[in-house]
Amino acid sequence: KAGVTQTPRYLIKTRGQQVTLSCSPISGHRSVSWYQQTPGQGLQFLFEYFSETQRNKGNFPGRFSGRQFSNSRSEMNVSTLELGDSALYLCASSLEGQGDYEQYFGPGTRLTVT
Amino acid sequence: QKEVEQNSGPLSVPEGAIASLNCTYSDRGSQSFFWYRQYSGKSPELIMFIYSNGDKEDGRFTAQLNKASQYVSLLIRDSQPSDSATYLCAVWSFYNTDKLIFGTGTRLQVFP
Repeated sequence: KAGVTQTPRYLIKTRGQQVTLSCSPISGHRSVSWYQQTPGQGLQFLFEYFSETQRNKGNFPGRFSGRQFSNSRSEMNVSTLELGDSALYLCASSLEGQGDYEQYFGPGTRLTVT
Repeated sequence: QKEVEQNSGPLSVPEGAIASLNCTYSDRGSQSFFWYRQYSGKSPELIMFIYSNGDKEDGRFTAQLNKASQYVSLLIRDSQPSDSATYLCAVWSFYNTDKLIFGTGTRLQVFP
């Protein structure tokens, strides 16, 4: 089975711009979670989508949003980019997304905001 | 108090030795626990998960869970230089919102 894929792998944006990241889960997985990883804060949960609905949300401002399509592919959008948004953005897919289902990560998108 | 705590390391062990990585968590309601390995510049890779008290073995890896003490550990037997990486402990939490909470990771160095 193919793993989780993310595009693009690298992105450089300017403050104030917006960005859209894409994630394709493992075939058959219906849950997609997004995380932000920075050296200072580690891995932090952004939100989780299941059956095209946001089911859980972390403590991030409303500039961070996402959606999920009927084929379980997911996109994450960050508007009005700030320097502090520079990070590795990871998505993880899971069969059902609840606690007793394992999450598998994609390779990540490294976002640099200048 | 951090929700998932790990010693940042580095933990240095000689090749062939047992590496012991530890993790404590604060949410008593947590039921699912995961260990991820992350090489520098790469994404986390799931290596073990455990849901019941006790030990779970998979090859050279053993996960140990003690819910009463809110403690989970990972043992790596016959450590190899290729095991050198950061190991992330993750705990499924129902507090506030359902989510996987990660520790900051322990960096393991296995020297020849």
